[in-house]
Amino acid sequence: NAGVTQTPKFRVLKTGQSMTLLCAQDMNHEYMYWYRQDPGMGLRLIHYSVGEGTTAKGEVPDGYNVSRLKKQNFLLGLESAAPSQTSVYFCASSPRTSGPRPAYNEQFFGPGTRLTVL
Amino acid sequence: GNSVTQMEGPVTLSEEAFLTINCTYTATGYPSLFWYVQYPGEGLQLLLKATKADDKGSNKGFEATYRKETTSFHLEKGSVQVSDSAVYFCASHFRRALTFGSGTRLQVQP
Repeated sequence: NAGVTQTPKFRVLKTGQSMTLLCAQDMNHEYMYWYRQDPGMGLRLIHYSVGEGTTAKGEVPDGYNVSRLKKQNFLLGLESAAPSQTSVYFCASSPRTSGPRPAYNEQFFGPGTRLTVL
Repeated sequence: GNSVTQMEGPVTLSEEAFLTINCTYTATGYPSLFWYVQYPGEGLQLLLKATKADDKGSNKGFEATYRKETTSFHLEKGSVQVSDSAVYFCASHFRRALTFGSGTRLQVQP
């Protein structure tokens, strides 16, 4: 199993350009997530998906769009990149939880995409 | 809402020293708690977890106990190694949201 993979690993954009980051997982997980990691701020959730065809906003969704057309893929799009979006982007996936109360839900992370917007 | 606060780093220790990284959380309900580790150039990996009060998570010599009365989940290791040098993130999970602390960088010197 490859686990969670991300494409590309590095990218440099000019302000106003667009791009799509691809995340793929082969663990048949229901849930998928996009985070950004900035120095001194930990990881912040951008968007997430609880199943194929569904997406929801996280903590910092502005400037990003996502799509989950297939269960194994979760795409993150930047329509008009800004320097404030320079960051390291991590995708993660986790299995569905069940039971009467929220259960632990380990997330499996990809290796990250380092994006620089000039 | 949920939040996680970790001690600021970097933490620099000599090999075989005792490690403590403090973590406290605020949450509604009863979150599950995690420690993740990030080695240079890699994504995050789960180190240990605890799902209810008084649970102790452990892995690779690291331990953390879920303390509901102090809302804490401090990470400890009795004898660190150079290979433990990494960034450590405390996180809480409630329903579908995982909230991370800002991370603590650990540097272990030989």
